[in-house]
Amino acid sequence: GAVVSQHPSWVICKSGTSVKIECRSLDFQATTMFWYRQFPKQSLMLMATSNEGSKATYEQGVEKDKFLINHASLTLSTLTVTSAHPEDSSFYICSARGTETFKQFFGPGTRLTVL
Amino acid sequence: SQQGEEDPQALSIQEGENATMNCSYKTSINNLQWYRQNSGRGLVHLILIRSNEREKHSGRLRVTLDTSKKSSSLLITASRAADTASYFCATDEGDFVFGPGTRLSVLP
Repeated sequence: GAVVSQHPSWVICKSGTSVKIECRSLDFQATTMFWYRQFPKQSLMLMATSNEGSKATYEQGVEKDKFLINHASLTLSTLTVTSAHPEDSSFYICSARGTETFKQFFGPGTRLTVL
Repeated sequence: SQQGEEDPQALSIQEGENATMNCSYKTSINNLQWYRQNSGRGLVHLILIRSNEREKHSGRLRVTLDTSKKSSSLLITASRAADTASYFCATDEGDFVFGPGTRLSVLP
């Protein structure tokens, strides 16, 4: 099956710094990428949907100025958590979807810890 | 982390029929979750079954878990057109990793 990678797999940062997470589709062109956040023992929460070359569509309650999403190419999307705070500590997962719209592949996730 | 893999990848049934989807995984788990995703929308958590449970019900959903076979099944009874969606399983080794999903189409 298709592979989606995320980098880094984990990151620890100080409060107030910005963190960039990359999501790459390794063997297919991802026309759409999704970003999710998951808090411990909770289900995934969709944060935003990004289509290549377009601005991301954010879900209600997600601050677009805090969570910057860029989908500049068909194989790469980035999520930047700006001015991170301890409450942003979470598990961030991306998924990618290609031309077969019913198939979606998930990345392994990035564990963010903000001190 | 490990990946759950769903089977079949696509399933079409008539409204009122039952739909069964399967999920296999590779190593030991703490729990297994099933999620639904409507087209273009985010994932919705359906049900969690722990490794010491064999069956769990929630409304029209029934989930079974066979840890000896490393497999789980999701049964949707009396399906409705609104059940049309993709269904994912995910296993937990601390973090959740999802398989490609089963695309269910319920025809009216």
